[in-house]
Formats: sequence, C-alpha cells, structure tokens
Amino acid sequence: QSVLTQPPSVSGAPGQKVTISCTGTSSNIGAGYEVHWYQQLPGTAPKLLIYSNNNRPSGIPDRFSGSNSGTSTSLAITGLQADDEAEYYCQSYDTRLSDYVFGTGTRVTVL
Amino acid sequence: EVQLSESGGGLVQPGGSLRLSCTASGFAFSSSAMTWVRRAPGKGLESVSVISADATTTQYTDSVKGHFTISRDNSKNTIYLQMNSLRPEDTATYYCGKLSPEFAVDYCGQGTLVTVSS
Repeated sequence: QSVLTQPPSVSGAPGQKVTISCTGTSSNIGAGYEVHWYQQLPGTAPKLLIYSNNNRPSGIPDRFSGSNSGTSTSLAITGLQADDEAEYYCQSYDTRLSDYVFGTGTRVTVL
Repeated sequence: EVQLSESGGGLVQPGGSLRLSCTASGFAFSSSAMTWVRRAPGKGLESVSVISADATTTQYTDSVKGHFTISRDNSKNTIYLQMNSLRPEDTATYYCGKLSPEFAVDYCGQGTLVTVSS
C-alpha cells in the first residue's frame, strides 16, 4: 500500500486526452517534494516522462505534461496514441517514511 | 549513450543470498547517485535502495532494511545489491537506475529477475 494513490485504470479513444491523478499527503507532495512520472510498457524498464512536477526530459513529446496542486499532482496525456498503452507511476519522497515512494500505478488503455 | 547492465539474478531458495551487479557507461558515474528499483509480479514499482555518488549515504525501503546492502565501486563503474535472507516476497525484476540531480530515475537498465522459491 503506497502513500501515493493513483486510479487503477483510465482509458480514452485515440486522439483524446486522459489525466492520471496522484494523491499524496502532507509528508510527501504536500510538503513540497517534487514529483516524477514514469511510463512502463509491458516487459520493459520504466522510462522517465516528467521530472520535478512539470519538466520533460529530452525526447519526451509535449503531449505529456505534469501539474500539481497541494497534496496532489496529475499527468496529462493529450492526443492519445495506441503506443501510450502502458502503466504509469508517480514518484516522490516521503519524509515520514524517509523513502522514495512510487504511486500505486495506473494502467492506460487506448480504446 | 547511457547504458546500465544488471546481472546476478536467478533462482534461489528462501533464506539464500544473491548479489546483483550493475555496470554503467556513458555518463559521469562517480558523480551520480544510483538506485535499485524492483517490480514484483502483479505489483507496482518499489524503490529498494539509493546510494550517493561517494557512497557515504545509503537509504533502504523498510522491507529490506537489515537484509539488503547497497554498495558501489567507482573505479569499476559498478553498483551492487547484496541480498541476504531472501524471502518469497523479494521475488521481482530488479532494475538498476541512475538518479538525476532532482533524484528522478532518468535511466534504467533492462532488469534482472530474482526468484525466491523452494
């Protein structure tokens, strides 16, 4: 049971926008610790999509964006594509656990 | 090009030990904090351990404290994860990761599978 809660699944049609929430507490996101987002395609290693709340590494398209407010943060995927089908995880630091925690993960399905 | 290559996984009996290695290239290894992340079958990602660039600071998730040890050899561009007293719940694919200055895992290896079973 992670201290960062994500919806188990979200879905959308090609071209649509989906948003994945990541809800934390006052000991992680609410304390101002930065959030990173990862994509994990089946059978592959996690890939960094967003770092420090809303920054994209080079090579990540601007269809992916991050935002945060208070104790929660969100990843938005616009122009949904078939190869966006994957699991997505948020990550932050939790001061109560003294640990770098991942969210519970969200499976994105393209209808 | 950043490359991370894990080795050392395999099948081990409960209570046994394994040492994972991760050899890195393509970046300033001795200036980078590193991490081990795992994903158990049917579960999500879990941060296992972090080691600072100079190895003076280490961090472990609660479930592995006291039976996993992270270390590094900057002369060999390699980090290690010594896993003792292995339990079935340690069964997972273990990924080695490079940490960015913001402590995001900006690069991962392909992973090595550890199976703890009798």
